[in-house]
Amino acid sequence: QQQVKQSPQSLIVQKGGISIINCAYENTAFDYFPWYQQFPGKGPALLIAIRPDVSEKKEGRFTISFNKSAKQFSLHIMDSQPGDSATYFCAAGWKAGNNRKLIWGLGTSLAVNP
Amino acid sequence: NAGVTQTPKFQVLKTGQSMTLQCAQDMNHNSMYWYRQDPGMGLRLIYYSASEGTTDKGEVPNGYNVSRLNKREFSLRLESAAPSQTSVYFCASSEVLLARETQYFGPGTRLLVL
Repeated sequence: QQQVKQSPQSLIVQKGGISIINCAYENTAFDYFPWYQQFPGKGPALLIAIRPDVSEKKEGRFTISFNKSAKQFSLHIMDSQPGDSATYFCAAGWKAGNNRKLIWGLGTSLAVNP
Repeated sequence: NAGVTQTPKFQVLKTGQSMTLQCAQDMNHNSMYWYRQDPGMGLRLIYYSASEGTTDKGEVPNGYNVSRLNKREFSLRLESAAPSQTSVYFCASSEVLLARETQYFGPGTRLLVL
């Protein structure tokens, strides 16, 4: 199943709180899981990415947790700030023949209240 | 180093009109992509070019054509615009085809078809 299910669709968090966005997948061939951040009026930009051989990757306040057995991965934003207000997309990549493909979640709109 | 640039930023078309969206990257990337982004639909791949001289269909190619003019430039053409093509169009590039690495996105073209 070439699909990535992202939840929630929208999220409101207070400044200083933890934002958590989840993605679930079915295809065990997925071998790359990036998260992109998109501000209004801008193109998406890579935030952080993980491969399935590790269970967690942290970059500053942003952490990806990966659960291979549950086929789930999540983005945690610690100490959320108003500047983190954006849309976040998870994606999953896999090798398809001689090519590679990438499929995207539908996005989560995050609002961090001051 | 401008990254990925797109022109125009905004465009209004009447049904049946044609137009070409331009994209250029200055990162010497081999692969380029065109996506459309619609509310609630996430990012959908229209066409991609693995390398100069090659193009392939993505998941929503109908109604579009592309040209990989050279290594830097990848254009998207709407031959006969339809209201269903109202969307935000993003061009992206990466060093190699959808490898486990970053895609760099342009700022987008907002298209309204009346």
